[in-house]
Amino acid sequence: GQQLNQSPQSMFIQEGEDVSMNCTSSSIFNTWLWYKQDPGEGPVLLIALYKAGELTSNGRLTAQFGITRKDSFLNISASIPSDVGIYFCAGHSNAGGTSYGKLTFGQGTILTVHP
Amino acid sequence: DVKVTQSSRYLVKRTGEKVFLECVQDMDHENMFWYRQDPGLGLRLIYFSYDVKMKEKGDIPEGYSVSREKKERFSLILESASTNQTSMYLCASSPTPYGLAGTSGANVLTFGAGSRLTVL
Repeated sequence: GQQLNQSPQSMFIQEGEDVSMNCTSSSIFNTWLWYKQDPGEGPVLLIALYKAGELTSNGRLTAQFGITRKDSFLNISASIPSDVGIYFCAGHSNAGGTSYGKLTFGQGTILTVHP
Repeated sequence: DVKVTQSSRYLVKRTGEKVFLECVQDMDHENMFWYRQDPGLGLRLIYFSYDVKMKEKGDIPEGYSVSREKKERFSLILESASTNQTSMYLCASSPTPYGLAGTSGANVLTFGAGSRLTVL
C-alpha cells in the first residue's frame, strides 16, 4: 500500500528557532495536507496544497507541494511555546479502488519547544 | 463551530469485553471516519461511512465493526477487545469524502478529541 515517510520523528528546539519537517513517498499524490495535534486534542488542518510546486503560507507556517508530487515540506519560523504538538502530513490520491480515493497519513513529528 | 464529540475520553476494559466508542457530529456531514493513532504509525483508517447505514473498510478493519443508524452518529465496536487494540481512537467527519473539496475550497475534515482505550 501507499506509505508516507515523515521526518524527523521528533524535534527539541529553543523558542525562536525555525523548524522544518518533510514527508516523502514513492507514490504520487494529488493533494498534500498538514495537520497539527495539540496535546489532548484531535488534529486540526493547518495548510492544504492542491498543485505541484504550490507554496502556501499560514502565518509563520509555510508548506510546499513538491514538483514530483511525491513530497511536501512544512516550515515553521520563529517558533513559540504554543507550537508544541504533533504535526502530521497526509496525502490524498485516487488509489484505493473507490471513488473517494485514499488519504494516507505520515507517522507524525513530535515538536517540543523550550522557552 | 463544527463539533465532533467523542463521549468517552478514557476507557479501561478487560480482554474479551465488548467495547462501544461513540461519536456524534452536529454539522449534518455525510461522511464520518474512525482512525486509530499509535506512536510512530500515524493515523490509520479503520472504517468510514459515506451515508447512513453505509460503510467501507479502511486499512485496518480487522477486529472492529461500525454502526451508522443516524446521520450524526457513528459508532466503533470492538466485539472482543484484545490488548493490541490499546490505542487512541479518533473520529472525524466531513461534508465530502475525506473532507477534500478539490481546488475549490479548504479541507474540512474535522476530528474529535479522541478516545484513549486501554485493554488489560
